[in-house]
Amino acid sequence: AQSVAQPEDQVNVAEGNPLTVKCTYSVSGNPYLFWYVQYPNRGLQFLLKYITGDNLVKGSYGFEAEFNKSQTSFHLKKPSALVSDSALYFCAVRGEISSGSARQLTFGSGTQLTVLP
Amino acid sequence: KAGVTQTPRYLIKTRGQQVTLSCSPISGHRSVSWYQQTPGQGLQFLFEYFSETQRNKGNFPGRFSGRQFSNSRSEMNVSTLELGDSALYLCASSQGTGGGNQPQHFGDGTRLSIL
Repeated sequence: AQSVAQPEDQVNVAEGNPLTVKCTYSVSGNPYLFWYVQYPNRGLQFLLKYITGDNLVKGSYGFEAEFNKSQTSFHLKKPSALVSDSALYFCAVRGEISSGSARQLTFGSGTQLTVLP
Repeated sequence: KAGVTQTPRYLIKTRGQQVTLSCSPISGHRSVSWYQQTPGQGLQFLFEYFSETQRNKGNFPGRFSGRQFSNSRSEMNVSTLELGDSALYLCASSQGTGGGNQPQHFGDGTRLSIL
């Protein structure tokens, strides 16, 4: 069974500082990995994905994520945080070869990011 | 291109009633998935539809059902509502057959409150 762990429920960072939101995963075979952001009373918004190739993936709003196969991690990063980045962030995984229940996208529990002015 | 549209945005029902939620996917997307989001349980997968066929189902009781129409629009129905069904219900659509490396694109959800 595939799974995602986001070990931190809450991350606080000062505006202008770099931010990292952690994610580790478990899946059969090669993974497809995704990051989403959710603002209050809104749906999830797609930020970026890793399919294959370069381990550093760039996405929307200056976010990037680093894939590490040996550590089965896919941490979300941003060099300089903005107050407007404050939101709930979800990591998700699906296996490259997926059928049945493995077809579904499996989400982590979410990390609340607060950027302090 | 219009995003995923979910209606209504808010619903208030009482225990024992039933409810139908609607989802219109992004134009050209034929795969539609539904999720339940609650503070305690997080995001839980309900079901996935492609070409009017249910491809996958999460671990929810039979009171939760869904369907997809030929135009890819989808509805989900919850019968005999319980207090625990209070949640944000999210619909997501994706290109192709769903699965694989295609991201899902979410609507803003329907906030269902059970009194």
